[in-house]
Amino acid sequence: DVKVTQSSRYLVKRTGEKVFLECVQDMDHENMFWYRQDPGLGLRLIYFSYDVKMKEKGDIPEGYSVSREKKERFSLILESASTNQTSMYLCASSHRPDDRGLNTEAFFGQGTRLTVV
Amino acid sequence: GEDVEQSLFLSVREGDSSVINCTYTDSSSTYLYWYKQEPGAGLQLLTYIFSNMDMKQDQRLTVLLNKKDKHLSLRIADTQTGDSAIYFCAEKRGNDYKLSFGAGTTVTVRA
Repeated sequence: DVKVTQSSRYLVKRTGEKVFLECVQDMDHENMFWYRQDPGLGLRLIYFSYDVKMKEKGDIPEGYSVSREKKERFSLILESASTNQTSMYLCASSHRPDDRGLNTEAFFGQGTRLTVV
Repeated sequence: GEDVEQSLFLSVREGDSSVINCTYTDSSSTYLYWYKQEPGAGLQLLTYIFSNMDMKQDQRLTVLLNKKDKHLSLRIADTQTGDSAIYFCAEKRGNDYKLSFGAGTTVTVRA
């Protein structure tokens, strides 16, 4: 079974703290993604990575950074946590599309519910 | 982003059919997906359809795609209590790596 594992299900952090959210996948996927999920807004892409050490900004990168030192691990970093970053964070991974652009399913982790107080 | 739109709530009686609708704006979308999220869990792929197809059926699930109107629907036949969840529509454009998601439709199944 494909597994995408997020290190924590629940986190409570204080405003101004540096926060690390870790994600590991075991399917040798090239692509990894961080989304945040908020009621009524659905999933919004924060950052994604299509290879080791490569990263691209998503739709809402402000206040976040990422690290991909190894293929299986993608970390999301909140440099200085703020209350508006209280949310559910979802990590996903997928294979790179082949030359024909054929479907590559994205697999999701269980999510980390982060509360910033 | 808001390129993919869905209604937020749907209530359906157990045993009836559910129809969840989605509209998208990008005509270059190659794949369209339906994901299901049960309470406290991540997203699970339910089904997907390639943009050159009109319909796809998989057991109780039927996906209809109207490319002209950029409208996608998911029909769940004989809806069960275990179908209560949030359903997300998503699109993949061209050779993009990423998916664009709608806001999600919360389906509540009542007895």
